[in-house]
Amino acid sequence: AQSVAQPEDQVNVAEGNPLTVKCTYSVSGNPYLFWYVQYPNRGLQFLLKYITGDNLVKGSYGFEAEFNKSQTSFHLKKPSALVSDSALYFCAVRDIGPRGNEKLTFGTGTRLTIIP
Amino acid sequence: GAGVSQTPSNKVTEKGKYVELRCDPISGHTALYWYRQSLGQGPEFLIYFQGTGAADDSGLPNDRFFAVRPEGSVSTLKIQRTERGDSAVYLCASSPLRSGAFFGQGTRLTVV
Repeated sequence: AQSVAQPEDQVNVAEGNPLTVKCTYSVSGNPYLFWYVQYPNRGLQFLLKYITGDNLVKGSYGFEAEFNKSQTSFHLKKPSALVSDSALYFCAVRDIGPRGNEKLTFGTGTRLTIIP
Repeated sequence: GAGVSQTPSNKVTEKGKYVELRCDPISGHTALYWYRQSLGQGPEFLIYFQGTGAADDSGLPNDRFFAVRPEGSVSTLKIQRTERGDSAVYLCASSPLRSGAFFGQGTRLTVV
């Protein structure tokens, strides 16, 4: 089965500094990887995805992620953090169900806090 | 509406009672998913509908959980004989075929 791991429960970054939220994956075949963000009392919002092609994927709100096949990682990054980036971030991998349907397997999440 | 709508946003029920959670997907989206997010965890897949049929229900934890989508649009997740361990946020998502999923705000279920 496909899986992702987020090794950090909590990440604190000073406003204006670069941020990284880590994700590693374990898949059979080619990975389809995603990042979602969850703000308080709001649903999951899609940030970006990697399917194939360029290893650096650009997404919403200035976020990007780097796919690294040798390290089986898909870390989320942003050059300069904003206080409004404080939220819960989830890495996810596409899995295939018994009838060929797509579904997502999520990591346990990383709470990002940007300190003013 | 523009997004996936879930009602109610919060539900408190007594142990042993029956509950229904509703999801209105984005108009025209053929695929619909239910996920469950327990405290401190990532969302976990429950069930997937393609049109009216449940194409993959492998994530339902036991036979107390059931979901329907009779007309291929609105879906209802039904939980019988609720237990305290069922307390979680239940998320619904919809998508066009073979595209990214759009999530609703979720229903927070508390079983007391």
